[in-house]
Amino acid sequence: EPEVTQTPSHQVTQMGQEVILRCVPISNHLYFYWYRQILGQKVEFLVSFYNNEISEKSEIFDDQFSVERPDGSNFTLKIRSTKLEDSAMYFCASTPDRNQPQHFGDGTRLSIL
Amino acid sequence: AQTVTQSQPEMSVQEAETVTLSCTYDTSESDYYLFWYKQPPSRQMILVIRQEAYKQQNATENRFSVNFQKAAKSFSLKISDSQLGDAAMYFCAYLAGGATNKLIFGTGTLLAVQP
Repeated sequence: EPEVTQTPSHQVTQMGQEVILRCVPISNHLYFYWYRQILGQKVEFLVSFYNNEISEKSEIFDDQFSVERPDGSNFTLKIRSTKLEDSAMYFCASTPDRNQPQHFGDGTRLSIL
Repeated sequence: AQTVTQSQPEMSVQEAETVTLSCTYDTSESDYYLFWYKQPPSRQMILVIRQEAYKQQNATENRFSVNFQKAAKSFSLKISDSQLGDAAMYFCAYLAGGATNKLIFGTGTLLAVQP
């Protein structure tokens, strides 16, 4: 069964550095998402992306964050200048239709030192 | 704003027994979708079951079923014949129909399965 794949599985970065989290959504899916989960807390929506543009973003998704679909397969989340509070598990998800269940990747654990 | 509440931070069930996880939500929408996701220690989010709000019939997926009470805004998950592999964090999630895309998650219920 097709899967959403995320790399790396764990990223350790110094505070203030830029980090790029990568995702390969399922190939025939059209809607892409990033969520984050701070340790011990619930999963929070960050951003959704459709037709090569952001369709919705949360208040968490400030100017430090950006998303891109640089080619036909990858979907990336960039954090420009990381803060300690950006430490979390970041999940990518995709769906063929926005009313269908979202399929999640295994997540990238981001640790900011 | 829509909210999802899971009032049971932890639950425990004996292997082969049945357990029910609670979820309530708040919305003014009439068109929406509800989901239960499972997150085992491996951290992957796995879809367990889905319910469309316009459907009166409760969704069932093998040993997993829901009790969807639209008027009460309640969406509980029943796991029958519990297995050790069911041990995980379970998240209830809401998706509004219409223009929005985002899933709104509850805080989760950690289910332990005792052998």
